Amino acid sequence: AQSVTQLGSHVSVSEGALVLLRCNYSSSVPPYLFWYVQYPNQGLQLLLKYTSAATLVKGINGFEAEFKKSETSFHLTKPSAHMSDAAEYFCAVSDLADAGGTSYGKLTFGQGTILTVHP
Amino acid sequence: EAGVVQSPRYKIIEKKQPVAFWCNPISGHNTLYWYLQNLGQGPELLIRYENEEAVDDSQLPKDRFSAERLKGVDSTLKIQPAELGDSAVYLCASSLGGRSTDTQYFGPGTRLTVL
Repeated sequence: AQSVTQLGSHVSVSEGALVLLRCNYSSSVPPYLFWYVQYPNQGLQLLLKYTSAATLVKGINGFEAEFKKSETSFHLTKPSAHMSDAAEYFCAVSDLADAGGTSYGKLTFGQGTILTVHP
Repeated sequence: EAGVVQSPRYKIIEKKQPVAFWCNPISGHNTLYWYLQNLGQGPELLIRYENEEAVDDSQLPKDRFSAERLKGVDSTLKIQPAELGDSAVYLCASSLGGRSTDTQYFGPGTRLTVL
């Protein structure tokens, strides 16, 4: 089964500093990988996704992530943090699940990383 | 374009009472998902629909949970009777199709508190 591990349940940075949120995946086949952001009392919003095209993926709000097969990683970065980036971030892996003979993409999420940005 | 709509946003009930959550997906999205999100954890899939058919309900606790998606649009998730451990956020999501690369769009969720 596919799985993801997010290293660090809480990350704190200063405004303007580099943001690095770590995600490692476990998969027997090349995976599709996603980063979602969740603001308080809101649903999850897609930041970016890797679907086996370019290994460096650019997303919304200045975020990007790099797929590294040798390290089984898909870390999320942003060069300069903004106060509005404070939220919880989830890494997810999608694989082909077979339910009753019907294959589909099933998302498995990590535990989440809460990002705090200090002024 | 409207996103995924869920109601109610918050619900407080006493244990053993029934409760229902409603979801309206993005127009044109054939695939609908219900997820459970416990505090401090990522969402976990409960059930997935392709149009009106539940194609994966393997994670749905069928002794007390039920769901339906009549006419392949809106969906309702029900718990009867609710237990203390059901306190969580229930998220609905939708996507155009069910492929691995399809983006899932999430609603704001319903926060359930069982007393």
